[in-house]
Amino acid sequence: SAVISQKPSRDICQRGTSLTIQCQVDSQVTMMFWYRQQPGQSLTLIATANQGSEATYESGFVIDKFPISRPNLTFSTLTVSNMSPEDSSIYLCSGGEVETQYFGPGTRLLVL
Amino acid sequence: GDSVTQMEGPVTLSEEAFLTINCTYTATGYPSLFWYVQYPGEGLQLLLKATKADDKGSNKGFEATYRKETTSFHLEKGSVQVSDSAVYFCALVRETSGSRLTFGEGTQLTVNP
Repeated sequence: SAVISQKPSRDICQRGTSLTIQCQVDSQVTMMFWYRQQPGQSLTLIATANQGSEATYESGFVIDKFPISRPNLTFSTLTVSNMSPEDSSIYLCSGGEVETQYFGPGTRLLVL
Repeated sequence: GDSVTQMEGPVTLSEEAFLTINCTYTATGYPSLFWYVQYPGEGLQLLLKATKADDKGSNKGFEATYRKETTSFHLEKGSVQVSDSAVYFCALVRETSGSRLTFGEGTQLTVNP
């Protein structure tokens, strides 16, 4: 199995600012993803983080708002840009192989 | 497109009761099926999985059988504990979908002593 850590674990931010979330995996993984989970809701996939190339975004999510980097097989970042209160949510990264993904503990973001 | 439907929650049980959380899916081909658990304030943990029809996944007393004829993957446990209180998510992935998971809505389970 893979162990995934995220930083920060939580943050309170002012609207209009940006926050970068880091995701670190303790072993090399093929796939990495970023999800958003709003309170009491299921997970919504934001994008697939591709190593060495631009991320693949799901419908409703754009690179200007959620730029993603993945410089290697163990690390990825998600930036939430120009934040508004509607961006308050839990952001989770996952990593793994085709049939098994492991999740980080999440980053709890509150935008005031 | 792919979809996963879970039984409506929340579910409240007494300790040692029998648990069933229903999950049905719609997908083309032969997806792999998963149950994830999310404890309060934490991320998701993989609970069990099954990759082909009639496979049974099991872990920590939980089990689920991949039923292709009914497109179902119901989660069961014979005797729940207070520590099982969490949100349970059913999910699927198709190999041709780039490993992108499709999640159900989640079912909140509360077990009372």
